[in-house]
Amino acid sequence: SQQGEEDPQALSIQEGENATMNCSYKTSINNLQWYRQNSGRGLVHLILIRSNEREKHSGRLRVTLDTSKKSSSLLITASRAADTASYFCATDRTGGFKTIFGAGTRLFVKA
Amino acid sequence: DTEVTQTPKHLVMGMTNKKSLKCEQHMGHRAMYWYKQKAKKPPELMFVYSYEKLSINESVPSRFSPECPNSSLLNLHLHALQPEDSALYLCASSQVDGPNYFGPGTRLLVL
Repeated sequence: SQQGEEDPQALSIQEGENATMNCSYKTSINNLQWYRQNSGRGLVHLILIRSNEREKHSGRLRVTLDTSKKSSSLLITASRAADTASYFCATDRTGGFKTIFGAGTRLFVKA
Repeated sequence: DTEVTQTPKHLVMGMTNKKSLKCEQHMGHRAMYWYKQKAKKPPELMFVYSYEKLSINESVPSRFSPECPNSSLLNLHLHALQPEDSALYLCASSQVDGPNYFGPGTRLLVL
């Protein structure tokens, strides 16, 4: 079962531009996580934001969380060709180890 | 050591074969996961072990049989698989309320 929906499904930008990806989810959550996956490889954890947090930064990444709208966004600033990957949001429901992934956004950064 | 290892990297098996996938982590994480991922789709949760006990089985067919011999190891035993079971199988581990750390995956082809 899929908890989250992400948009856009695919995003193509030039190097140096910012990329914004959105994630919506359906049920109450304990935390929301963002992951990156390069083609055919394992996922890499980027940021975890807890339900009582509204914004978090890590390097060129900025994540926001709006629990009233059940949505989150991931902003990558000054994108690089190496940022080309699929990005997934994932949610942990309160009290469990059950991490459920959204459909993902495929980001293409052109050099 | 912040790595999750998986073996083998690739596996080709017939529908009558029995094989096993192996996963290992030495981060002291008490939760370990198996996910299945088809091409261009998000990871789908299959099983969760917490404190070495099976806590979640997402209605996975019995031809997939998980095993957690100790807190560092997780196996997935495969028997009588179908061609539609061909996918990338990902192992992950986490602390309570923490992000998942993923292995590189085993790419499985069932003939």
